[in-house]
Amino acid sequence: EAGVAQSPRYKIIEKRQSVAFWCNPISGHATLYWYQQILGQGPKLLIQFQNNGVVDDSQLPKDRFSAERLKGVDSTLKIQPAKLEDSAVYLCASSLHRDRESGYTFGSGTRLTVV
Amino acid sequence: SQQGEEDPQALSIQEGENATMNCSYKTSINNLQWYRQNSGRGLVHLILIRSNEREKHSGRLRVTLDTSKKSSSLLITASRAADTASYFCATDPSGSARQLTFGSGTQLTVLP
Repeated sequence: EAGVAQSPRYKIIEKRQSVAFWCNPISGHATLYWYQQILGQGPKLLIQFQNNGVVDDSQLPKDRFSAERLKGVDSTLKIQPAKLEDSAVYLCASSLHRDRESGYTFGSGTRLTVV
Repeated sequence: SQQGEEDPQALSIQEGENATMNCSYKTSINNLQWYRQNSGRGLVHLILIRSNEREKHSGRLRVTLDTSKKSSSLLITASRAADTASYFCATDPSGSARQLTFGSGTQLTVLP
């Protein structure tokens, strides 16, 4: 089965610019997650979708970050305007909703550098 | 906030030796999972242990779980250079929407 696809692979922007990341989860996976991983740390959840609805966005900096999953499949994560501290790898993951006994499948991530 | 904390932060061993990593967590869990991350890549699911299990094996991996101490360990036997990666524990909390919380990871280096 195809994995979780993410693009772009790398992105360098200047602070105060905007950027968008795209994720295509595994077919049939209703739950989609965006994680932020700062260098040397573990991934931190930003937002969780169940189909096209938001389950948890409590850790999403909503003044600058937004995410959507309009048709319950692909998702985009946007940062506007970016700050230096947003430099990180942005990981998308998906899982089966009803199967709590399986792991998540992660994409390779988008490495964002804000200069 | 990080639910799990791995120990040690970094571990360097010779090929063929065993590697043990520990994870401590704070809240009640449904299960605990271990993931591997190679440099510059996404995380790969290794093994899942349920809260009512005490030990689980998968190939060269052995995971233990002690819910009374809120701790888990991952043992990699007969390590190989290809095992060099960061290893993360992740907890699936009980009584809530399925949402993994990751620890800060152990960087394992296996020297040939």
